[in-house]
Amino acid sequence: GQNIDQPTEMTATEGAIVQINCTYQTSGFNGLFWYQQHAGEAPTFLSYNVLDGLEEKGRFSSFLSRSKGYSYLLLKELQMKDSASYLCAVSDSNYQLIWGAGTKLIIKP
Amino acid sequence: NAGVTQTPKFQVLKTGQSMTLQCAQDMNHEYMSWYRQDPGMGLRLIHYSVGAGITDQGEVPNGYNVSRSTTEDFPLRLLSAAPSQTSVYFCASSPDGSSGANVLTFGAGSRLTVL
Repeated sequence: GQNIDQPTEMTATEGAIVQINCTYQTSGFNGLFWYQQHAGEAPTFLSYNVLDGLEEKGRFSSFLSRSKGYSYLLLKELQMKDSASYLCAVSDSNYQLIWGAGTKLIIKP
Repeated sequence: NAGVTQTPKFQVLKTGQSMTLQCAQDMNHEYMSWYRQDPGMGLRLIHYSVGAGITDQGEVPNGYNVSRSTTEDFPLRLLSAAPSQTSVYFCASSPDGSSGANVLTFGAGSRLTVL
C-alpha cells in the first residue's frame, strides 16, 4: 500500500531551527510537496521537490532523497507565526497526491 | 482574483438530509478536486475532475456525487448525510492534473457536522 509518515507533533523555540521529516512508500513518484496549514485555515503551498537535493526558499528549505524515500522541511529563524501544521504529500504514478497526516509545530517564546 | 471560493463555511445537518457544497474558481484551472480532512488523518480525495464534463472517483467517494458542467464550478453533493461524513471539506484546484508539479490552491474549507 501507499504510506506517508511524519511526526505528529514537534516543539521548538522562537529563533531556533527545526527539521520536520517525511518518509514515503508510494506506487510511483512524480514529486513531493510540503504545505503549511494554520489552525482553521486551508493548506498553502510551500515547496516542491522532484530531484534529489536541497531546495532553498528564504527561511524554508526542503530536501529530497528518492533512493531513501525521504524528505525533510527545514525551518530557520523560527517565528511565532510558523506555528502551524506541515503536510507532506507525494504525487504518485497517476499524479494523484498521497498525503501524510501532518506535523503540528508548536513554537515557544 | 478571488481564487477558490467555497460555500457554506459551516453547516449542521441531520442524518438523512442532503446538501450541496459549492466550489468555484476564477483561475481557469482545468483540475478541481474535493478532499475531506479528519483529525489524525491525511487529506483524503473524494472526487476530482480534469476538465469540464469529466469527473472521477478518488479514495473515498461513497455517499458523494459531483458534476463539472463548467470549468469554474465543481459542486459536491451529499446524498443522504451520515454522522461518518462529519468532517472539514476542502475544494482545491490546479492548472492541470497531468503533471507532477500539480500545485493545488485550496478553498477556505467547509466544516460539516451531521447529527
